[in-house]
Amino acid sequence: GAGVSQSPSNKVTEKGKDVELRCDPISGHTALYWYRQSLGQGLEFLIYFQGNSAPDKSGLPSDRFSAERTGGSVSTLTIQRTQQEDSAVYLCASSRSGGQGLDTQYFGPGTRLTVL
Amino acid sequence: GENVEQHPSTLSVQEGDSAVIKCTYSDSASNYFPWYKQELGKGPQLIIDIRSNVGEKKDQRIAVTLNKTAKHFSLHITETQPEDSAVYFCAATYSGGYQKVTFGTGTKLQVIP
Repeated sequence: GAGVSQSPSNKVTEKGKDVELRCDPISGHTALYWYRQSLGQGLEFLIYFQGNSAPDKSGLPSDRFSAERTGGSVSTLTIQRTQQEDSAVYLCASSRSGGQGLDTQYFGPGTRLTVL
Repeated sequence: GENVEQHPSTLSVQEGDSAVIKCTYSDSASNYFPWYKQELGKGPQLIIDIRSNVGEKKDQRIAVTLNKTAKHFSLHITETQPEDSAVYFCAATYSGGYQKVTFGTGTKLQVIP
């Protein structure tokens, strides 16, 4: 079956503009995660969804970042008034349940965001 | 919170040699340690994992070891091949709640033909 997909694959924007990044998880996966990967760095956790709710938003770096998930499926990460330090690869992952137990997280290919 | 350190940041080996990547973690409650391989332009893919009730696990040319007392775990790749070239991430998580995973900073492995 299809894996996690993300769009766009690349996004170049000007400082101060808003951007929306999309994630389509694997069908039936209830847990969804957003990570940020800066050059030469590991994966920085941003937010976790269980269904449509986000029990853990602790990784969002500022109030310019927000995310939503509708219908327990597609998620959108929005960055308002982008800054150059927002440039990174944004990765989405999904897992079957995300609750008790250790479900494998399956990652999408990421969206490379460049803020000029 | 959990902190995962990973070494080395880069590693070059000759084809056929072994490669070892080491990680340490800080939270003694962590009990699941996955390893991911990330090829250029792709998302990380799980290659092997180990749970805290196991000291070693092997899958063909790949093995992981875990020392709970010292809080460190390692990835061993034997008979390396050019297609093993990628960035490898270790991670640690705790199964008591949802699966919030803390990743290491990655090791760029280059296998020289």
